[in-house]
Amino acid sequence: ETGVTQSPTHLIKTRGQQVTLRCSSQSGHNTVSWYQQALGQGPQFIFQYYREEENGRGNFPPRFSGLQFPNYSSELNVNALELDDSALYLCASSLAGTGAPWTTFFGQGTRLTVV
Amino acid sequence: GDSVTQMEGPVTLSEEACLTINCTYTATGYPSLFWYVQYPGEGLQLLLKATKADDKGSNKGFEATYRKETTSFHLEKGSVQVSDSAVYFCALSVKGGGGADGLTFGKGTHLIIQP
Repeated sequence: ETGVTQSPTHLIKTRGQQVTLRCSSQSGHNTVSWYQQALGQGPQFIFQYYREEENGRGNFPPRFSGLQFPNYSSELNVNALELDDSALYLCASSLAGTGAPWTTFFGQGTRLTVV
Repeated sequence: GDSVTQMEGPVTLSEEACLTINCTYTATGYPSLFWYVQYPGEGLQLLLKATKADDKGSNKGFEATYRKETTSFHLEKGSVQVSDSAVYFCALSVKGGGGADGLTFGKGTHLIIQP
């Protein structure tokens, strides 16, 4: 049990639609990251939020956007869905700023299917 | 850029056999190294980590040693169990443990343990 919860667990959307995925970080963590895991692949870093600001971004287009709220919960929004967006989306939380190496804890993911 | 290469599976072993899953990395900085495990239908769980050269991470009978000279972080276990069946991911982070560049993952190794 990591304390990172995601909703919904499964979702089916039509190409061109928009989707919002939600994540509740582990208590006390101030950093949230999102990853996309295609079938049979390792997770790919989408972006990270630290204290409500985007702190880093992987190689994903602007139609992938996010928010982090004061209670450290987070949303991932994807506009204009494409078939290739079908994947498991993982939220991860960490505690940054202590000077010590981080440990990142992952949620169970949201399985998005675009048809 | 940073990358992780791990042996591709599936790897099929009998219960109580010895396990080695190879992992090598390329990084521009001095990374922290991780092994994550993903059980069927679940998110990622941190298995072990090492943050500097010659460190040994260990957990649940699994071990991995950070070898800077060979840029490797091979996962080992002396006697595997059926419950170890899962997908194992090697990962690195140059910025501590999931910094602004996130974690870089390998493609994963599917381990199947037969009774």
